[in-house]
Amino acid sequence: KQEVTQIPAALSVPEGENLVLNCSFTDSAIYNLQWFRQDPGKGLTSLLLIQSSQREQTSGRLNASLDKSSGRSTLYIAASQPGDSATYLCAVFNTDKLIFGTGTRLQVFP
Amino acid sequence: DGGITQSPKYLFRKEGQNVTLSCEQNLNHDAMYWYRQDPGQGLRLIYYSQIVNDFQKGDIAEGYSVSREKKESFPLTVTSAQKNPTAFYLCASRLSAGAFTDTQYFGPGTRLTVL
Repeated sequence: KQEVTQIPAALSVPEGENLVLNCSFTDSAIYNLQWFRQDPGKGLTSLLLIQSSQREQTSGRLNASLDKSSGRSTLYIAASQPGDSATYLCAVFNTDKLIFGTGTRLQVFP
Repeated sequence: DGGITQSPKYLFRKEGQNVTLSCEQNLNHDAMYWYRQDPGQGLRLIYYSQIVNDFQKGDIAEGYSVSREKKESFPLTVTSAQKNPTAFYLCASRLSAGAFTDTQYFGPGTRLTVL
């Protein structure tokens, strides 16, 4: 059974720092991996989707990498801002559904 | 604007009552999903539907029921058999359940509280 883990569970950093959020999964037979952002009391917003054949994807200050063989993905946030404060979730796509990690709660303070 | 709408935003239920959460999408997506989110437990899949008039149980389907009579609508009923229904419920959709390039989109959620 696929399990997805995210470390750390919570992170608090000063504005301007570069951050790395980690996601690991137990079964490397995935089709893609997706990173989401969730603000308190809101739905999820898709940030990046990496196909199983890809190594990384970039969008603005965000860069996500994928290493299927080791069952790991990282989300790199450059020059963090207070507006980046949110919970970040990763999810792997198995056959016909996404399996989610429990998320990393990020706080960026001025 | 294309997207997913969920209503109501907040819902209160008395013990023993059934309640129905609405989910509508105008993205012309085939696949729709219902998740439950509890603090510290991430998202857990309740039911999903890959096509109209078809749906499958997810990991925590007991005490819930769904229907998919129209492509754009996937309502979730929380029955009195669900022992601990207080949670945040999220509806999602994607173009096709088996398409590996598809992004999954989420609605704004419904917070259900049992009184």
